[in-house]
Amino acid sequence: SQKIEQNSEALNIQEGKTATLTCNYTNYSPAYLQWYRQDPGRGPVFLLLIRENEKEKRKERLKVTFDTTLKQSLFHITASQPADSATYLCALLGSARQLTFGSGTQLTVLP
Amino acid sequence: EADIYQTPRYLVIGTGKKITLECSQTMGHDKMYWYQQDPGMELHLIHYSYGVNSTEKGDLSSESTVSRIRTEHFPLTLESARPSHTSQYLCASSLVAGSQETQYFGPGTRLLVL
Repeated sequence: SQKIEQNSEALNIQEGKTATLTCNYTNYSPAYLQWYRQDPGRGPVFLLLIRENEKEKRKERLKVTFDTTLKQSLFHITASQPADSATYLCALLGSARQLTFGSGTQLTVLP
Repeated sequence: EADIYQTPRYLVIGTGKKITLECSQTMGHDKMYWYQQDPGMELHLIHYSYGVNSTEKGDLSSESTVSRIRTEHFPLTLESARPSHTSQYLCASSLVAGSQETQYFGPGTRLLVL
């Protein structure tokens, strides 16, 4: 069956460091992968999309890598700030042609 | 900020009442979705629509129903609310460009059934 796995443990890092979040998937052949941010009590907000033929994508302090051989995407936030604290979700298009979201990784950036 | 709106934001209601959660978007998106999410848990797709007069059930079985009479409007109805329906309900719409789809979410409705 199709499965998306993100870091199950919450991630705490010190302000200024780089946060790295992982998204692994099985039984998907995604043409692209997306990352969203979700704050408590709010809906997710789209951050970045990376296509299968792109190894890396950057947007300001965000960097996403996509390795279709490893079936993994890494999401990096450089020079992290307390305002980056949130839950980060990866999402893939599933076999039913619907976007499926991972369970998310909760990131806390400590001042 | 996406132009997708949900009302009410919070609702406390007694068991057995009929409720309708409203969702509207002004982006002209054809596809719309309803998700259910408990605190700290993952999103579960309960309904989606490809466009006017199209409604489909999602992965998570739900006693709710939806309708899509207008492109911009996708209300969700519970005929008889129960405490097990207590959750956050998120509405989304999506922009489809070629084979790529990006979803835009509303702020959510937090429902408490007593």
